[in-house]
Amino acid sequence: KQEVTQIPAALSVPEGENLVLNCSFTDSAIYNLQWFRQDPGKGLTSLLLIQSSQREQTSGRLNASLDKSSGRSTLYIAASQPGDSATYLCAVRRSMYSGGGADGLTFGKGTHLIIQP
Amino acid sequence: GAGVSQSPRYKVAKRGQDVALRCDPISGHVSLFWYQQALGQGPEFLTYFQNEAQLDKSGLPSDRFFAERPEGSVSTLKIQRTQQEDSAVYLCASSRRGSGGPNNEQFFGPGTRLTVL
Repeated sequence: KQEVTQIPAALSVPEGENLVLNCSFTDSAIYNLQWFRQDPGKGLTSLLLIQSSQREQTSGRLNASLDKSSGRSTLYIAASQPGDSATYLCAVRRSMYSGGGADGLTFGKGTHLIIQP
Repeated sequence: GAGVSQSPRYKVAKRGQDVALRCDPISGHVSLFWYQQALGQGPEFLTYFQNEAQLDKSGLPSDRFFAERPEGSVSTLKIQRTQQEDSAVYLCASSRRGSGGPNNEQFFGPGTRLTVL
C-alpha cells in the first residue's frame, strides 16, 4: 500500500526566506505527483503537477522536483511571503499499470507553513 | 460553474441520522472523486466515478457509505446511520479526462464539514 510522508509537519520562518518542503512515497510506480495548498476551512488548490516522466515543474516562485526512483519530491518556495501561509499537501496518483484502474490520489498529512511578517 | 461546488458547506447530524452530501463538478469533467479528510490529516480516497459508472469504491469505510452519479454530472455521497467517527470534511474533486489520461489534474471543491453529535 502506497504511503506518503511529508517532512516537516510544521514550519515557521521569517518573510523573505527560501524554503523547501519534502515529500516521500513508498511505491515508485506512480503516474504523477501533485502539490496542493489548503487554507483553513477551504478546499485544496492545485499548485503543480509533475508527470512521472518529468523531473521538475515551475510556477512563479514555486518549483517542484520529482525523483521517482528514490520516491522523493520537494517543493521549493522562493522569497516567501505571509500570503504563503497555509498547509501544503503532496499527493501521488498510482500508475495505471499497477492495477485497480482508478485515479484516486494518496495524500501525505501535509506541512503547516507559517510565514512571519 | 467556474469550479467544483459542494453543498451544504456545514452539516450537523445526530448520531444515527442519515445525511446526503452533494457535489457539482466542473461542467464537462468526466471523472469525479470523493475524499474524506479527518482533522489534522490528509484527504483519503473514498470512491471514483467515470461518467455515471462507479469504477472504484475501495475507499468507502463501510456499507453505510453510498455514492451515486446517475447522470454523469452531479454526485451525491450518502451516509446512513451516522456515527461520531464519520465526523470529517468530505471533499469532492473532478478532472477533465477519464482514467489513465495524462495531465489529469484534479480540481477540488471547498468541502462539506460534517459533525456528528
